[in-house]
Amino acid sequence: EADIYQTPRYLVIGTGKKITLECSQTMGHDKMYWYQQDPGMELHLIHYSYGVNSTEKGDLSSESTVSRIRTEHFPLTLESARPSHTSQYLCASGTQGLWTGELFFGEGSRLTVL
Amino acid sequence: AQRVTQPEKLLSVFKGAPVELKCNYSYSGSPELFWYVQYSRQRLQLLLRHISRESIKGFTADLNKGETSFHLKKPFAQEEDSAMYYCALSNSGGYQKVTFGTGTKLQVIP
Repeated sequence: EADIYQTPRYLVIGTGKKITLECSQTMGHDKMYWYQQDPGMELHLIHYSYGVNSTEKGDLSSESTVSRIRTEHFPLTLESARPSHTSQYLCASGTQGLWTGELFFGEGSRLTVL
Repeated sequence: AQRVTQPEKLLSVFKGAPVELKCNYSYSGSPELFWYVQYSRQRLQLLLRHISRESIKGFTADLNKGETSFHLKKPFAQEEDSAMYYCALSNSGGYQKVTFGTGTKLQVIP
């Protein structure tokens, strides 16, 4: 079934650890996005990609990095996690063409850094 | 730069009352505007898009370019409408960045 998957769903780690949040989609979409959703539920765009080997920073400055080596995969990495990185991270994908703003979201990865 | 503003963090209405969730945007080009909804413990999902001029679950939204607004309306609120609502803007350029507003929590009181 075509969908967008995020792992892990929940992660609790200590300060200084390196973490990677995985995002994969089986919908054949070109565009992929990472949003950070804070406790007040605001959504902030932190990274996006419009195809393989293309990545752009979003509106919110983030210490994370992303890569897009394969169309279906868009992992987000934090080299050294800090408590300020505690948040929910949402991955989304979308298609080029008419409905450019129609995004499909994953279930989210809730990260807690102690 | 593109920006979306939702002035209300929380909107409480009684069941059967009309609902209007406000959204204003700033964008120099021709924007595409959307409303997304997130029900409790569910994924964020598209509710409606301005280009379709559709009514979904009784909700409608009209793009007013003069006032740069895209308010979401429903004549009679239902309890199942309680959720978090986000207004979103997609630019018309090649990069197609999608920016969300800060969200409005709609609480429908029985």
